[in-house]
This record gives sequence, structure tokens and C-alpha cells, in this order.
Amino acid sequence: SQQGEEDPQALSIQEGENATMNCSYKTSINNLQWYRQNSGRGLVHLILIRSNEREKHSGRLRVTLDTSKKSSSLLITASRAADTASYFCATVPWGGYNKLIFGAGTRLAVHP
Amino acid sequence: DTEVTQTPKHLVMGMTNKKSLKCEQHMGHRAMYWYKQKAKKPPELMFVYSYEKLSINESVPSRFSPECPNSSLLNLHLHALQPEDSALYLCASSQTSALDGELFFGEGSRLTVL
Repeated sequence: SQQGEEDPQALSIQEGENATMNCSYKTSINNLQWYRQNSGRGLVHLILIRSNEREKHSGRLRVTLDTSKKSSSLLITASRAADTASYFCATVPWGGYNKLIFGAGTRLAVHP
Repeated sequence: DTEVTQTPKHLVMGMTNKKSLKCEQHMGHRAMYWYKQKAKKPPELMFVYSYEKLSINESVPSRFSPECPNSSLLNLHLHALQPEDSALYLCASSQTSALDGELFFGEGSRLTVL
């Protein structure tokens, strides 16, 4: 079952621009994670933010979490062609000890 | 070693065949997962093993049968599959649970059912 929706479904930008992806979810959560997937490959973990955190940074990535709105955003700054991939948010629902449920994903294309 | 290794990378099988997908990790992780992913869709959770015991089955049809022979190995046995079962099957592991940290994914096994 899918926990949430992502917005936009697809995003096309030029190298050097910032990319912002949004994720909304339905139930209370323990944590929210962002993953990246290159076409047809495995997923790679990017960042984890816990329900009591509001913002986290990792390199060119900035993640925010608003539990009152049940939403999160992922910002990639100074994008590169190599950032072209699908990006998924995933949540561990409250009480869902081992359940990591993925949102619909955003397909990002970064053009040189 | 931070890898999750899945074999085979590609599998084509008929609806009457029996085959298995294999997943291996040597990170000492105690939780292992099977996900199914259709094209342009998110991964869907199928099964979770925690300390070698099945802890979550997301109402998966019995033609999919998971097995965890030891803490490093996870198998998915396939029997009498349907063409709509064609998908990328992803294995993942985590240290103890998804509550605590990230999942490490393998590259997946792409299954085609004829």
C-alpha cells in the first residue's frame, strides 16, 4: 500500500538550477526517508529525518519535515546531470516497526 | 562490505515453472525485506524478516514463498506465477528495523513471466 503522494510527478530542469520535490503522507510517522533510484536499478538512501526533527542537510541536499501538514520536501541545490533519477520519499508509519512504505516518486531530469 | 547482492539479475519463466530469487548481505543486518516494483511505480513491500523470522506479509499471494535460511540469506521461491507478476524484485536489509535507519537495497532481479 502506498503511504503518500509526491509532487511533482516529473521535473525537468537545467544544470545548476535547484530542484524541489514535495511529499505528502497520510498517517503519523516515526521517520521519513528519501531514496534515489537510477533507471531500473536499486534504491540508494539519501537522508532520514525523524518525526521530532524539522530540517536536515546532507551535502547539496536539504530536507524539511512538517508533521502538522504531514509533508516533507527535498531540495537539491546546484543540480548536475548525474542527479537525473527518480526520487522517492518513504515513511515508517507510527507503530509500523519494520514497514517502510514508499510514495509515488518524482522523476527528475537535469539537462546539461 | 556494504552490499546487498541479488541473483539472478534477470529471469524469464513460464507460468508452470518453479524458480527462486536469492539475496545475500554480509553487513550483520538482522532485518531483510522483499519489495516488488512495476515500471514507473514505487516499490511495494511484500515481506519482512526480522531476526530470521517472518514478521510482515503484506497479503502476498501464496505463489510467492519467502525463506530466510540464515541471517545473511533471503530467498523468494516462485511457483505458478502470472504474467502480471512480471516486475523488478528488490531485496533490502537494515541493521535492526526501518525505525532506526536506512535500508540497503540490492540492484534487483528483473522477472518476466511468459
